[in-house]
Amino acid sequence: AQSVTQLGSHVSVSEGALVLLRCNYSSSVPPYLFWYVQYPNQGLQLLLKYTSAATLVKGINGFEAEFKKSETSFHLTKPSAHMSDAAEYFCAVSLYSSASKIIFGSGTRLSIRP
Amino acid sequence: NAGVTQTPKFQVLKTGQSMTLQCAQDMNHEYMSWYRQDPGMGLRLIHYSVGAGITDQGEVPNGYNVSRSTTEDFPLRLLSAAPSQTSVYFCASSSPGGANTGELFFGEGSRLTVL
Repeated sequence: AQSVTQLGSHVSVSEGALVLLRCNYSSSVPPYLFWYVQYPNQGLQLLLKYTSAATLVKGINGFEAEFKKSETSFHLTKPSAHMSDAAEYFCAVSLYSSASKIIFGSGTRLSIRP
Repeated sequence: NAGVTQTPKFQVLKTGQSMTLQCAQDMNHEYMSWYRQDPGMGLRLIHYSVGAGITDQGEVPNGYNVSRSTTEDFPLRLLSAAPSQTSVYFCASSSPGGANTGELFFGEGSRLTVL
């Protein structure tokens, strides 16, 4: 069965610093991988997705993620953090092209220090 | 375009009471689903529907019922609320193409407290 692990429930960075949110997955076959973002008191929205095309995926708001099969990782990065990036981020994995088969990670709360 | 609308946003129940969380979408999405979000556990799928008249169980269906009489609406019913059902509930929908690539559109959530 597939699973996803997010390392670190809370990450704090200074404004302008690099953002790195870690996600590792477990899957016996190439998966579909996603990052969702949840701003305070809102629902989740799709940030970016990997569906076996380019291994470096660019998303909204300057975020990107790289699929590394050898490391079974799909870490999310942003070169320079902005105060508006403060939110909770969820990594998700699916072995199938079906929304009902998506498994979400436990989430990482990103805080930005002025 | 309202997207996915959930009501109510907040609700307090006593143990044993029943209630329905409403979810409506105006995007003509065939796929709709309900998740619960608990601290440190991410989102867990409760029930989902791939079209009107079709529903199926997700990871944590016990204590919840759903029906899908129209494409637009997908209510979640708690027949006898328990404190373990205290959570934030999210409704999500997806188009056929979106369902095939995992893009879910979420409502703003309904925070339920069971005393």
